Amino acid sequence: DQQVKQNSPSLSVQEGRISILNCDYTNSMFDYFLWYKKYPAEGPTFLISISSIKDKNEDGRFTVFLNKSAKHLSLHIVPSQPGDSAVYFCAASNNNDMRFGAGTRLTVKP
Amino acid sequence: KAGVTQTPRYLIKTRGQQVTLSCSPISGHRSVSWYQQTPGQGLQFLFEYFSETQRNKGNFPGRFSGRQFSNSRSEMNVSTLELGDSALYLCASSLVLQGREQFFGPGTRLTVL
Repeated sequence: DQQVKQNSPSLSVQEGRISILNCDYTNSMFDYFLWYKKYPAEGPTFLISISSIKDKNEDGRFTVFLNKSAKHLSLHIVPSQPGDSAVYFCAASNNNDMRFGAGTRLTVKP
Repeated sequence: KAGVTQTPRYLIKTRGQQVTLSCSPISGHRSVSWYQQTPGQGLQFLFEYFSETQRNKGNFPGRFSGRQFSNSRSEMNVSTLELGDSALYLCASSLVLQGREQFFGPGTRLTVL
């Protein structure tokens, strides 16, 4: 059962523009959400997280938005850079469980 | 601090064989989780070990097993390999059980022929 879904397998944006990656979840018990970035031949690396008590968390060019009523979170990257090209996984967790989405491959074109 | 290391990085096996993968967590981390990554499926949770005990288990058949040693290093074993077991196997370590922020190793790419 896919409790965390990333419906866009890929996304292509121009350098300098905004990248928006989306993630939906079904389990309302999830209370902590994370984004990981993965380059080829490397493991995923933690990027940014948000607790369910917040609706926005910002770290430099990366901002995560959480809409609890819609069970939806998004990652905004502004401005996008070619080095941001990678696969992005969202994850949702509670005290007992952590689930990952299938990933979105972001390509930032120079 | 050294990161999470996994050995081997690549492995080719044939159907019916068994395989053992190894993971060394970040020093001081006591929890090790294992994931299977296949195209389109994302990361599927296999199990988590903490203090040498399996604490959580995902929805995988009994052919998938693991263990953790007193130094927190962990091994994962897959017996009677099937073609569908071909995947990238990732381990992640965290300081505590069910730690929210996990640190991943580079993975072991297993190909079953």
